[in-house]
Amino acid sequence: GENVEQHPSTLSVQEGDSAVIKCTYSDSASNYFPWYKQELGKRPQLIIDIRSNVGEKKDQRIAVTLNKTAKHFSLHITETQPEDSAVYFCAAKGGADGLTFGKGTHLIIQP
Amino acid sequence: KAGVTQTPRYLIKTRGQQVTLSCSPISGHRSVSWYQQTPGQGLQFLFEYFSETQRNKGNFPGRFSGRQFSNSRSEMNVSTLELGDSALYLCASLGDPITEAFFGQGTRLTVV
Repeated sequence: GENVEQHPSTLSVQEGDSAVIKCTYSDSASNYFPWYKQELGKRPQLIIDIRSNVGEKKDQRIAVTLNKTAKHFSLHITETQPEDSAVYFCAAKGGADGLTFGKGTHLIIQP
Repeated sequence: KAGVTQTPRYLIKTRGQQVTLSCSPISGHRSVSWYQQTPGQGLQFLFEYFSETQRNKGNFPGRFSGRQFSNSRSEMNVSTLELGDSALYLCASLGDPITEAFFGQGTRLTVV
């Protein structure tokens, strides 16, 4: 089955700086790659997703890139703000398989 | 449109007991997935149901089972509870074809 590795497990950045979280996946059949943000005590919520026919997608301060050849995808957050502090999960889904999640990255925005 | 509803929100059970959790997906969604979330292991996939059939299963022991009804509501059952089963159990509702997974609030299970 699919295996998703996510790095780093914790990321601390200064407010206003950029943050990058990286994920790799194992199943070349995977074709959907969402990113979820989970604030303390709340449910995970989708912040951006990308499909295998697209290399990059951007939504305001958030962007995701996908390299299908290398089987990795990344989340980029620019101009970080205190409200960006949360745990971020990447995931991969292929065919009829369920979503496989990475173990999460705890993003800390330092004032 | 109502969101994903999970019941109950909190549960405390004793080792050896069994528990049933419920998830009602978004109206029109036929796919429901279940996940176990713990601090050390993140979000781990339990199983996925689509139109009353289990479509995928994660690497969990047979004590974890589930089912889906004709109205797409899903239940998961854990028998012979162990302390290590203490976790937040999340269900996600997906549309078809592949779309965003919407999560419920989760059920916090504590086994004592």
